[in-house]
Amino acid sequence: EADIYQTPRYLVIGTGKKITLECSQTMGHDKMYWYQQDPGMELHLIHYSYGVNSTEKGDLSSESTVSRIRTEHFPLTLESARPSHTSQYLCASSPRGSSNQPQHFGDGTRLSIL
Amino acid sequence: GESVGLHLPTLSVQEGDNSIINCAYSNSASDYFIWYKQESGKGPQFIIDIRSNMDKRQGQRVTVLLNKTVKHLSLQIAATQPGDSAVYFCAENRATGSARHLTFGSGTQLTVLP
Repeated sequence: EADIYQTPRYLVIGTGKKITLECSQTMGHDKMYWYQQDPGMELHLIHYSYGVNSTEKGDLSSESTVSRIRTEHFPLTLESARPSHTSQYLCASSPRGSSNQPQHFGDGTRLSIL
Repeated sequence: GESVGLHLPTLSVQEGDNSIINCAYSNSASDYFIWYKQESGKGPQFIIDIRSNMDKRQGQRVTVLLNKTVKHLSLQIAATQPGDSAVYFCAENRATGSARHLTFGSGTQLTVLP
C-alpha cells in the first residue's frame, strides 16, 4: 500500500528534452526528499524540502531543480536531459519534527536518456 | 572520509537459516540508524530502526544490534524466507552543515536458497 507516488515509473527520452518527475504523498508529511540511485548502489540525496516554499540542495551535486508549492507535491525537473542523467530517482517523505524517524519511499522513476 | 558501508556485498543463505548483515559506520556523532529492504523495481522499505542510546532492538523476525564502541551495526533475520531476498541498506542520520540527513551504505544483496 503506497502512500507516496512517483510518475512515470519508467521514462526513455532523447537528449535535450525537458523532463519533470512527479512525486506526491498523501501522508501530510512536511519533509520530502529526492535521491539518485544507480543500479545496486547506495542512495545519494540530491534535494530536500522541509515545507512549502522551502528547498535545499543535497549532498550530491545535481543539475536538476525542485519546487514545493504544495505540501503533498515535490516535482523534480531537468531542463535539458543528458545521458549522464540516466539513473533511478527515488522520492521520500517524513513527518515534521525530529530527524530521527524513518523516511517513506516511493517506487522510483527509472530514467534513461538516449 | 566518513562513510557508512557494508562488509559484504552479497550473502547467500539457506531457507530457514538465520541471516546476519553487517554495517560499519565512522561518524561517532550519528545518533539514529535505519535498516531498509529494497526489492527489485521497488523503493526502499523500512525494516527497523535504532537510536544510539540503545544496543538492541527487536521486531518481527528481525533484530538490530548497535555496537557504538566499534561503530558497527548488524541486522539479524531469523528463519530466512524466500521473500527476504532483496538488497539491504543501512543508513545513519548524521549532520550535514546545519541539517541532519540519512546517509546510506552501498547495500548487501541477500539471496535465499531453497
